[in-house]
Amino acid sequence: AQTVTQSQPEMSVQEAETVTLSCTYDTSENNYYLFWYKQPPSRQMILVIRQEAYKQQNATENRFSVNFQKAAKSFSLKISDSQLGDTAMYFCAFPSSGTYKYIFGTGTRLKVLA
Amino acid sequence: EAQVTQNPRYLITVTGKKLTVTCSQNMNHEYMSWYRQDPGLGLRQIYYSMNVEVTDKGDVPEGYKVSRKEKRNFPLILESPSPNQTSLYFCASRLSYREYSEAFFGQGTRLTVV
Repeated sequence: AQTVTQSQPEMSVQEAETVTLSCTYDTSENNYYLFWYKQPPSRQMILVIRQEAYKQQNATENRFSVNFQKAAKSFSLKISDSQLGDTAMYFCAFPSSGTYKYIFGTGTRLKVLA
Repeated sequence: EAQVTQNPRYLITVTGKKLTVTCSQNMNHEYMSWYRQDPGLGLRQIYYSMNVEVTDKGDVPEGYKVSRKEKRNFPLILESPSPNQTSLYFCASRLSYREYSEAFFGQGTRLTVV
């Protein structure tokens, strides 16, 4: 079965520091994409970053970057220079091409401390 | 503005009283889906639709119905709601079911069944 696991239910980080959120997944597919979504207190789900599995280079979007290790099936999100507005729930997601389903992890609640 | 519109945002109802949560997207997306979000469980897919008149069960379909008569609309129907359906619900759309396609989410519906 295809699964996505986020092992850190809650994390906190000081403003301006760096934090890494972990995500592991399991799939037999060879070509796929992985996503990180952010859910702030407003509940709106916002795409943070995506990674194409066949690309060696890790994706980067401003202060957000990923550490993608395909062999280990690991897809962690690094937030640099954390800001108060980064306080949110973060979900790792995997759209399965085989089953047409979009599979989410259980989420990591991140709190940025002033 | 490209968006997924979901209504209502909050709903309190009584056990057994039929209700419908509406979802509409203006991006001409083929793929639409419904999720419920519960603490510690992340987002779980209820139903999805790959196009008009094509729907299929997700991981937690019991107690729910959907229909896709028009491309833009994908309502979620609870024929006889029960307290275990108290949850936060999200509608999402994607350009296609292909794995590279990101999901766009509605603002969520907080449903309470008493």
